[in-house]
Amino acid sequence: AQSVTQLDSQVPVFEEAPVELRCNYSSSVSVYLFWYVQYPNQGLQLLLKYLSGSTLVKGINGFEAEFNKSQTSFHLRKPSVHISDTAEYFCAVSDRGGAQKLVFGQGTRLTINP
Amino acid sequence: KAGVTQTPRYLIKTRGQQVTLSCSPISGHRSVSWYQQTPGQGLQFLFEYFSETQRNKGNFPGRFSGRQFSNSRSEMNVSTLELGDSALYLCASSESLGGANVLTFGAGSRLTVL
Repeated sequence: AQSVTQLDSQVPVFEEAPVELRCNYSSSVSVYLFWYVQYPNQGLQLLLKYLSGSTLVKGINGFEAEFNKSQTSFHLRKPSVHISDTAEYFCAVSDRGGAQKLVFGQGTRLTINP
Repeated sequence: KAGVTQTPRYLIKTRGQQVTLSCSPISGHRSVSWYQQTPGQGLQFLFEYFSETQRNKGNFPGRFSGRQFSNSRSEMNVSTLELGDSALYLCASSESLGGANVLTFGAGSRLTVL
């Protein structure tokens, strides 16, 4: 079984400041890793994914994440945030063995202040 | 390409009633998954269908059921509604099975049980 822990439920930052959203996972099997974003009254949108290869993954809207196998982490970063980045962010894992089921963290609400 | 379409977007039911939610996947996508999102439990996997067959099921009571049609459209049904079933129900589609597949989510159906 897998589990995902997002270490911060809320992160307030000022516009143009850098941000890091933290994600740790636990799994007895190898996993794929994802970050999704949810804007108010919308579904989830994929930001980026780690399947294999380079541990630094770049996604949409200037976000990137780094997979650290030894620390079982997949932290999301952006060097300079905008008001439009205000949303809830979810880290998720899926089983490399075949099941497509995503296990999500509890989410981090990112609030950008002007 | 049109995205994942969920209907209805909002609905209100009373305890004991049943509800059916519909999901039309992206054209060409054969896998449909359902997730429940609540403030307390977060995002939880309900079930996944591929080629009209349920491939995976989450830890929900038998009151929750679903099906997939030959055109890949899917429905989920909740019978004997309880207050705790109030949630945003998200449908996601992907081209095929496997943990590496990216899920594209719909905007969700928000169910309120009174």
